[in-house]
Amino acid sequence: EDQVTQSPEALRLQEGESSSLNCSYTVSGLRGLFWYRQDPGKGPEFLFTLYSAGEEKEKERLKATLTKKESFLHITAPKPEDSATYLCAVGKGTYKYIFGTGTRLKVLA
Amino acid sequence: DADVTQTPRNRITKTGKRIMLECSQTKGHDRMYWYRQDPGLGLRLIYYSFDVKDINKGEISDGYSVSRQAQAKFSLSLESAIPNQTALYFCATTDSNTGELFFGEGSRLTVL
Repeated sequence: EDQVTQSPEALRLQEGESSSLNCSYTVSGLRGLFWYRQDPGKGPEFLFTLYSAGEEKEKERLKATLTKKESFLHITAPKPEDSATYLCAVGKGTYKYIFGTGTRLKVLA
Repeated sequence: DADVTQTPRNRITKTGKRIMLECSQTKGHDRMYWYRQDPGLGLRLIYYSFDVKDINKGEISDGYSVSRQAQAKFSLSLESAIPNQTALYFCATTDSNTGELFFGEGSRLTVL
């Protein structure tokens, strides 16, 4: 069964305290792995797409990496405005996306 | 203006009422989706459409119907709302080349 699992469910960091969020998947025929940021009451906002193992993408304090079984979202020196829920999704076939339940990140000033 | 616009943003209704959620997009994408988000369950696909004449059920389509009025418009209907349809609903479009999903701001529906 296709499955995407994110950990931890929630994470509290002090401002400047770097950490990583994990997205592990068991999906056959991966078409891409997608990271999104979601603020409360808002729609998910696209961050990154990774297509193959070994690929890395960076944007400001965020860096996403991909292996054959999991992806990491590394947050370097986070700021309070990085507080949000981070979702990962695996694309499969022509239309299907399997979403994880997200990691709620809180960065304290 | 947002690329994917949903209306209404919030709606409270009663059991048995018919509800329509509307979505329009300016990204020029052919593919549109309706998802439902519940706490602890993640995003689940209700319906998807690849073009005006192509509409398909997702994993949780029971109790819902859709209409693709134009390339840019995709509406979701609840013919007779029930309390367990209380959720946050998202419309999305996708770039068929990259697979990236672009979401609307969401429609929060409460069924009493």
